[in-house]
Amino acid sequence: NAGVTQTPKFQVLKTGQSMTLQCAQDMNHEYMSWYRQDPGMGLRLIHYSVGAGITDQGEVPNGYNVSRSTTEDFPLRLLSAAPSQTSVYFCATGGRGTDTQYFGPGTRLTVL
Amino acid sequence: GDSVTQMEGPVTLSEEAFLTINCTYTATGYPSLFWYVQYPGEGLQLLLKATKADDKGSNKGFEATYRKETTSFHLEKGSVQVSDSAVYFCALNTNAGKSTFGDGTTLTVKP
Repeated sequence: NAGVTQTPKFQVLKTGQSMTLQCAQDMNHEYMSWYRQDPGMGLRLIHYSVGAGITDQGEVPNGYNVSRSTTEDFPLRLLSAAPSQTSVYFCATGGRGTDTQYFGPGTRLTVL
Repeated sequence: GDSVTQMEGPVTLSEEAFLTINCTYTATGYPSLFWYVQYPGEGLQLLLKATKADDKGSNKGFEATYRKETTSFHLEKGSVQVSDSAVYFCALNTNAGKSTFGDGTTLTVKP
């Protein structure tokens, strides 16, 4: 039972490049979320999903796309990377009707 | 919208000192309240939670009580250890899809 997995652990991009951060879970949780963590700040919600085929924007969605075709996977796409997107990205999951989120280990992204 | 305010850090204590990290919140509805801990280079781990007014969450010697009248959820520990050095985040949510976090408080415990 792996819980919440994220790949890659580290990534360096050049400005303008695109990439996808992967998040997978084996807990059969309906809810999945993406957060970013910047130095000295808490986590800020980028996008979230309450089930396959349903996504919604969080606090800081600009520059990111998501889709949820399966319960298990929730990829985050950076369309054209910018230095302002340098951050640590965390994926989280939670069960419907519950209040607790379970976090992945994070992806550290640097955009040059 | 919802918001969480934590006391500013960093906090530096000697081993066996008493710890308090203040957290206040603003929310619509009836949120659940959480404390998460983040060790260097790692993700967030749930430390404790409380789901309704006057509930006390506790774990590993840490405690926090959900105070609706003061909209607070202060974290306390009677005797900190060097191994408690980490960043602590207060958070709230009303469903498991999204949480609102405070900015985090860095705790350093010196021997």
